[in-house]
Amino acid sequence: DAKTTQPPSMDCAEGRAANLPCNHSTISGNEYVYWYRQIHSQGPQYIIHGLKNNETNEMASLIITEDRKSSTLILPHATLRDTAVYYCIVRGWIYNQGGKLIFGQGTELSVKP
Amino acid sequence: DVKVTQSSRYLVKRTGEKVFLECVQDMDHENMFWYRQDPGLGLRLIYFSYDVKMKEKGDIPEGYSVSREKKERFSLILESASTNQTSMYLCASSLVLLGTGELFFGEGSRLTVL
Repeated sequence: DAKTTQPPSMDCAEGRAANLPCNHSTISGNEYVYWYRQIHSQGPQYIIHGLKNNETNEMASLIITEDRKSSTLILPHATLRDTAVYYCIVRGWIYNQGGKLIFGQGTELSVKP
Repeated sequence: DVKVTQSSRYLVKRTGEKVFLECVQDMDHENMFWYRQDPGLGLRLIYFSYDVKMKEKGDIPEGYSVSREKKERFSLILESASTNQTSMYLCASSLVLLGTGELFFGEGSRLTVL
């Protein structure tokens, strides 16, 4: 079963910030939070990951709450090309399981002109 | 840039046929994964491999096998394809198994079994 909960869909106006929430209340201390996105008919693409501190890269920012039970992915200036399904995933290392990724249903983000 | 290449984007096979899906990565990654993706079910892990000739079952290994004879190549095998194996198959690789290793995905192989 997926270990994260995300809203199934969201809309965002082009040029505005898109804030995508994720709940991971059962996250353990050695698990990272990863975000991927999947544009239609392509393989998933890595966006960002973090452990406990907020992170930023050229694509997005990741805000993780202090108790680490939830996080928010922020796309600061959404464009039409950001329309995709966004997956929030927790990943750690479990002996004999190799740190496998568990993908949930994701959030389908629609960026509208 | 890391490149994960899947041999076929689209395949159509008949029930009972043996199907090979090939995946090659060019970044010397130790770990490789096969997922399938179905509407409403998300991505589900079939098998993964953390070293040459090593393999581990994922969540849905039934009806599949894998082969990792060389580090860069990870093959998914459907011994006798069935219609319920019609799906999008995604291969991925990563450098480390610990939490800091991101996955790099291929473009996917859409398999239809008639």
